[in-house]
Amino acid sequence: QSALTQPPSASGSPGQSVTISCTGTSSDVGGYNYVSWFQQHPGKAPKLMIYEVSKRPLGVPARFSGSKSGNTASLTVSGLQAEDEADYYCNSYAGSKHFVFGTGTKVTVL
Amino acid sequence: EVELVESGGGLVQPGGSLRLSCAASGFTFSTSWMSWVRQAPGKGLEWVASVNQDGSAKYYVDSVKGRFTISRDNAKNSLYLQVNSLRAEDAAVYYCARAANWAWDYWGQGNLVTVPS
Repeated sequence: QSALTQPPSASGSPGQSVTISCTGTSSDVGGYNYVSWFQQHPGKAPKLMIYEVSKRPLGVPARFSGSKSGNTASLTVSGLQAEDEADYYCNSYAGSKHFVFGTGTKVTVL
Repeated sequence: EVELVESGGGLVQPGGSLRLSCAASGFTFSTSWMSWVRQAPGKGLEWVASVNQDGSAKYYVDSVKGRFTISRDNAKNSLYLQVNSLRAEDAAVYYCARAANWAWDYWGQGNLVTVPS
C-alpha cells in the first residue's frame, strides 16, 4: 500500500486560505468516504481535524473544511492564523480494515 | 477526560523484542477499536495495527505482519503491541490511538523506540 500523495509544503499570509491536496487511488481515497485529516505541531501528537471527508469534530474551528473529488481529497484552511502553522496529514481507509496516510504537508503562515 | 498513556519504549538492538503498553482512561475502553500508529524520526505517520473491541480481530500493515502482535486487556483498560525481530526501520515514536468514525479521535503522547543501525 503506497502512501497518499500530498504536496511537501503550502503557505499563506494571515487571513488568507490554503488548500492541501491528498491524492490516492480508487482503492483508497476514491473508493471510500473515509478520509480524515490530522494536524501535528512539532513534538506533539497528531490531532484529528476532519473525518469522513468533511465532518469536523467538536472543538475544531469551522475554518477547517474538507472535500473530495474522485481520487483526490482536499483540506482547506480559511482565515489562516499563526497557530495553524503545522504539519498536516491525510488518511484514508484502504479496505480490509487497512489504512494509509499521506506523505504530509508543512503549512507555513507567512 | 480521555487519556492514553504509552509506556515500554526504549533502545533495542536489531533482532530484539519489546512490549509497548497503552493505559486508557476516561472512556469505555471495551467498546472501542484501538490502533497503533508510528512515526519515524523526521518522517510521516504510518498506520501499524488495529484491534477490535474484544480482541478477536487484528489487522496489520504488511511490513510488520508476523513480527508485531497487537492485543488488549479490557479488564485492565490496556492496549499492547509486542514487537519482535526489530529492524532499524522500525525505529519510531509509537502512538496508541482510539478509533472512531474511520479515524482516530484521541492519541497518546507517543513512546520512542530506538533501534541502532
